[in-house]
Parts: sequence; C-alpha cells; structure tokens
Amino acid sequence: GEDVEQSLFLSVREGDSSVINCTYTDSSSTYLYWYKQEPGAGLQLLTYIFSNMDMKQDQRLTVLLNKKDKHLSLRIADTQTGDSAIYFCAESRPNAGNMLTFGGGTRLMVKP
Amino acid sequence: KAGVTQTPRYLIKTRGQQVTLSCSPISGHRSVSWYQQTPGQGLQFLFEYFSETQRNKGNFPGRFSGRQFSNSRSEMNVSTLELGDSALYLCASSFTVNTEAFFGQGTRLTVV
Repeated sequence: GEDVEQSLFLSVREGDSSVINCTYTDSSSTYLYWYKQEPGAGLQLLTYIFSNMDMKQDQRLTVLLNKKDKHLSLRIADTQTGDSAIYFCAESRPNAGNMLTFGGGTRLMVKP
Repeated sequence: KAGVTQTPRYLIKTRGQQVTLSCSPISGHRSVSWYQQTPGQGLQFLFEYFSETQRNKGNFPGRFSGRQFSNSRSEMNVSTLELGDSALYLCASSFTVNTEAFFGQGTRLTVV
C-alpha cells in the first residue's frame, strides 16, 4: 500500500470549515507538506510543518500533526469556492534529499 | 521573483520516439527534482539533482534520464516512448537540501 494515505473526496458548503486528513507510516519523517493542485496546473505549496511541531497556523490554514498516530490534518477555515481543488500531503525523510512521498490526493468540492 | 519554468507545456509524441523536457528553477535554487503524475499511479518521484549531481533516483526504467547544468537548469529525457509514459511531468525547485519544494506548471506529455 501507499506510504502516505488520504481519503479521496470531501464536499463542504461555502463558509464552512474543511478538514483534510492524511496518515503516514514513516516515523522518521522530517517535514510534512500540504500542496494544492487546480485543474491543469502544477502543485502550489500551501504550508508545511516540521516533525517536532504539533500545530502551525497560517491565516485560514491550520495544520495539526499527531506524531504518535502518524496523522496529519489540514483545516481550512471559511472555505470558499476558490478552494475547490485536489490537496496532497507529502512527507520528506532524512537522508532522502528533497525527495517527497505524496499521498493520493483529496478532491475538495465547495458548494455555494 | 520568477517561479519554476517548465517547457514545453504540452507535447505530443509517437511511440518509440524520444523526448526532452526542460526545467528552469527559481533563481538561486540548486536542487531540482522531477515527478511523474498519472491518474493511476499518482505522483511518483523520478530523480533529484543538486549541483549537477544526481542525488536520488526513483524506481523508473533506464529510459528515463536527466541532467543538471551549471546554471541549475535541468532536463529530463525519455527514450523509446511507450503509451504508458503519457503523464504530467512536474519539476520542483528547492534552495538546498531539506527545504521547501516549489513546483512548476508541468509538461503534459501525450504518447500516441
């Protein structure tokens, strides 16, 4: 199976909060990242968290890391229709340079 | 500051041909990584170059190769193209090791 797993799909109403979850298996992960991909586009780096942190907030985005359970989440407050996209979590590992291992992506649909 | 530039954006090739894709990283960045994105396999790491040296390589056949020039620009080459090589090829630029990766818009390769 994948080293990094995400649920496939999430649907929310505009103005609600969205929570996208990710689990990983490598306890030696150094950084964990969230990327956003819109149709036909590349990956946009949203935020990242170092493995010795448990929370990071950046405007509407909050990242929570539970290292014991190897669980990462991305909360988007006041979700807008422009947030509709595919969200990928990714991990980097020690001694692997800048190689990232990605989850399969979660498609977020925001309904007006 | 210019972002990561990938050329061309779209490419159509015939089976058996070869193709070269180009990536210009963010100015000052020395690490370039390449990923293949397909609906079936998701995002898979191809290789990473740092200061003209290949640091890491993913699990792809020898038909996939790359190089990095002294100005940090990178190229990847795929020889003897197969239908299954049709994908979005993404390049990521990082300042140095274990730093954030910023992606380009990708090159959409279609093999017919």
